[in-house]
Parts: sequence; structure tokens; C-alpha cells
Amino acid sequence: AQKITQTQPGMFVQEKEAVTLDCTYDTSDQSYGLFWYKQPSSGEMIFLIYQGSYDEQNATEGRYSLNFQKARKSANLVISASQLGDSAMYFCAMREGLNTDKLIFGTGTRLQVFP
Amino acid sequence: DTAVSQTPKYLVTQMGNDKSIKCEQNLGHDTMYWYKQDSKKFLKIMFSYNNKELIINETVPNRFSPKSPDKAHLNLHINSLELGDSAVYFCASSLYSYEQYFGPGTRLTVT
Repeated sequence: AQKITQTQPGMFVQEKEAVTLDCTYDTSDQSYGLFWYKQPSSGEMIFLIYQGSYDEQNATEGRYSLNFQKARKSANLVISASQLGDSAMYFCAMREGLNTDKLIFGTGTRLQVFP
Repeated sequence: DTAVSQTPKYLVTQMGNDKSIKCEQNLGHDTMYWYKQDSKKFLKIMFSYNNKELIINETVPNRFSPKSPDKAHLNLHINSLELGDSAVYFCASSLYSYEQYFGPGTRLTVT
């Protein structure tokens, strides 16, 4: 079974609008971490935001926020006020347990922001 | 002041050759990683080292051998390159189990 599922291969959003990128995960661990990374066309992987399984509040970093719904095992990324520079691949990833550094990545969502 | 650097950025080589990719981080992190991203953009961990000790060794052909001379460096050596090894290889580092910071990637093309 997929540990991390990103069901949207591609998304379009108009500049200045908000967009939600979906991510669901599968784990039986109580302690885990969820991450989002951005990969622009230049190829580098850029860390965006982190949510720990015990964090009670949703993580936010500037225009990025993580809509964490533990019971539904979802960790959706919300980008507010989209900019043309947000066009990129976005990857959701999970670290299971406390004693591993292994990140398991989803298949990614390609976001295109249009004027 | 590059955080995680990799050399080379591009590597084109023929089947059967041996090649190395170097990675260095100046963040003071204690753990370093190698990931492979295939043509479909799927990213999968290969190895991780913590303070020069191998921690994660995924199901990777033994033609791939990581080497960590010190905490700030993690190199990847690949023997007898095959067509299927063509991919982008990313080095990353982290402090404890916090977020991982990635290098710019090395695009390996095997012809």
C-alpha cells in the first residue's frame, strides 16, 4: 500500500488565488512527521513546511499552511495568494516513528499558476 | 555560502564505467543522505549516514557504495554503470530528525 498518496498529478490556479494540494498518508506509528517540498523546474528540492504528529496546531510558514487532519490521515498544503513563481512540483513526505530519518515521498503534484 | 553542494551537476558516461558523485554540507548537520529521483520524478532514499556511520541502506544494488570521510561529506560511488542508473541523484542533510536540506542534484545519464 502507498504510504503517501498525492492524488492530483496536476493543478492549475490563477495568480493571487489560494490552492490546496492534497496529501494522505498511511502509518500505524503514533509518532511521525509530515513534510512538504517544492521542486521548481530548475530541479532543486526546497523544504517548505513541517508538521509533527503531536503538534496540535496546523503549521504555517508565510503563505504556506498545512491543513493537518489526523483522524483522516491527511496533510494538505495550502498556498495562499499564489504567485507565478509558485509553479513547480510539490512533494509530500512522511517520516515514520522517532528513530528513523527515512523520508517516504509521494508522487508529487505539478502546480501551474497562470496570470 | 552554499548549504549542501554536489559535484558534478551533470554527468554523462557510458555503460560499464565507474563514476563518483561528491556531496558536502556546511550546515553542521549530523546526518547525510542519498536519494534517487527517476524519470517519473519519484524520489526514493538510498542511504543515510549519521556521524560517518551507515544508518539506512535501502534495497540498492551493491554497485552503489556510499562513503563518508567525515560528518560534512558523503560521496556516492557507482561501479559498472547501467542504463537504468540514469536519474537525478540528490544529496541531503539534516540535524537530528528535523527537516532535510537537499543539494542541487546531479543528473546522471548513462549511454
